[in-house]
Amino acid sequence: KQEVTQIPAALSVPEGENLVLNCSFTDSAIYNLQWFRQDPGKGLTSLLLIQSSQREQTSGRLNASLDKSSGRSTLYIAASQPGDSATYLCAVQGNTDKLIFGTGTRLQVFP
Amino acid sequence: EPEVTQTPSHQVTQMGQEVILRCVPISNHLYFYWYRQILGQKVEFLVSFYNNEISEKSEIFDDQFSVERPDGSNFTLKIRSTKLEDSAMYFCASSEFREGSPLHFGNGTRLTVT
Repeated sequence: KQEVTQIPAALSVPEGENLVLNCSFTDSAIYNLQWFRQDPGKGLTSLLLIQSSQREQTSGRLNASLDKSSGRSTLYIAASQPGDSATYLCAVQGNTDKLIFGTGTRLQVFP
Repeated sequence: EPEVTQTPSHQVTQMGQEVILRCVPISNHLYFYWYRQILGQKVEFLVSFYNNEISEKSEIFDDQFSVERPDGSNFTLKIRSTKLEDSAMYFCASSEFREGSPLHFGNGTRLTVT
């Protein structure tokens, strides 16, 4: 059974720092991995999707890497800003329709 | 940018009552989903829907739950007889393809069962 874990559970940093959020999964037979952002009381916003054949994806200040064989992904946020404060979720998709989510990393960036 | 819309944003109901949660997926998307998130817990898959039928469902999605696409735009989740443990945030999502395309989520319906 696929299990997804995210470390750390919470992170508080000053503005301008570069951050790394970690995601690990137990079954390496995945089709893709997605990173989402969730603001309080809101839905999930897709940030990056990495196919199983890819090693990384970039969007603006965000870079996500995938090491399928070791069951790990990292989300790198460059030059963090207060507007980046949110909960970041990773989710994996295997050979089914469903995404399996981690518990998230709650990020606070203070000015 | 097109988005998934959900109504209502908050629904309060009494135990045993039926509720219908409504969603309008993105118009050119073919795959539709319901997920839920109990307060403080992970986002959990409930059901996927494609070509006017359920494609996959989780063990949570028992006989109390049903989904329907009554017309070309709406996608609904019905809970026939709500229980206290059904209290959660319910998210609708849609995607263009089954794999390889990101899921677009609505802002959710907060269901409170009293």
